[in-house]
Amino acid sequence: QSALTQPASVSGSPGQSITISCSGTSSDVGSYNLVSWYQQHPGTAPKLMIYDVTNRPSGVSDRFSGSKSGNTASLTISGLQAEDESEYYCSSYTSSSTWVFGGGTRLSVL
Amino acid sequence: QVQLVQSGAEVKKPGASVNLSCKASGYTFTRYYVHWVRQAPGQGLEWMGIINPSNNSTSYAQKFQGRVTMTRDTSTTTVYMELSSLRFEDTAVYYCARSFLASDAFDIWGQGTMVTVSS
Repeated sequence: QSALTQPASVSGSPGQSITISCSGTSSDVGSYNLVSWYQQHPGTAPKLMIYDVTNRPSGVSDRFSGSKSGNTASLTISGLQAEDESEYYCSSYTSSSTWVFGGGTRLSVL
Repeated sequence: QVQLVQSGAEVKKPGASVNLSCKASGYTFTRYYVHWVRQAPGQGLEWMGIINPSNNSTSYAQKFQGRVTMTRDTSTTTVYMELSSLRFEDTAVYYCARSFLASDAFDIWGQGTMVTVSS
């Protein structure tokens, strides 16, 4: 199972919006609404930010939103804040009953 | 509070085995699946496998088949992951994480255990 494809880095200014893409295949992203997004600050465990493509866990800011079209999922962060600077990973359930992650995207808030 | 607490850092030689633990608390242990995910230094996340604590059933990523074994002890609400025939490239932080269904996202993560494979 190949990793999902994410851009290595994205950047934005405070207050702006950014979108991180996550490209998979018809065997993972395209087959299930089971895409999740994780935020990981250096030296810490990942934190769930979005699950089932569009849902936010309790406590996650509504500035974070998710979507999907075909084999590509996206994470949008609006009203960028300095604290959003982090690494972001997408993940999808697969037709093999396994999970696959993206390679990660480093978000810089300029 | 709901948490997963992992065992401490390990240093192993190539060819050895490592056995990591992940102790669950604050929720009904047998109602959530536990996954293991690893992250090599400076690299991304890699899913290794899953265990159902209610019946001890497991499923492993093909890459680790034959080298990984996941077990649980319901009396201590602890999940274990043994990785054998260690190679230098197994050097990584190993995380446990839980999900309600096998296909659900991972809502709670352990703090991670660093495993270093060095001669």
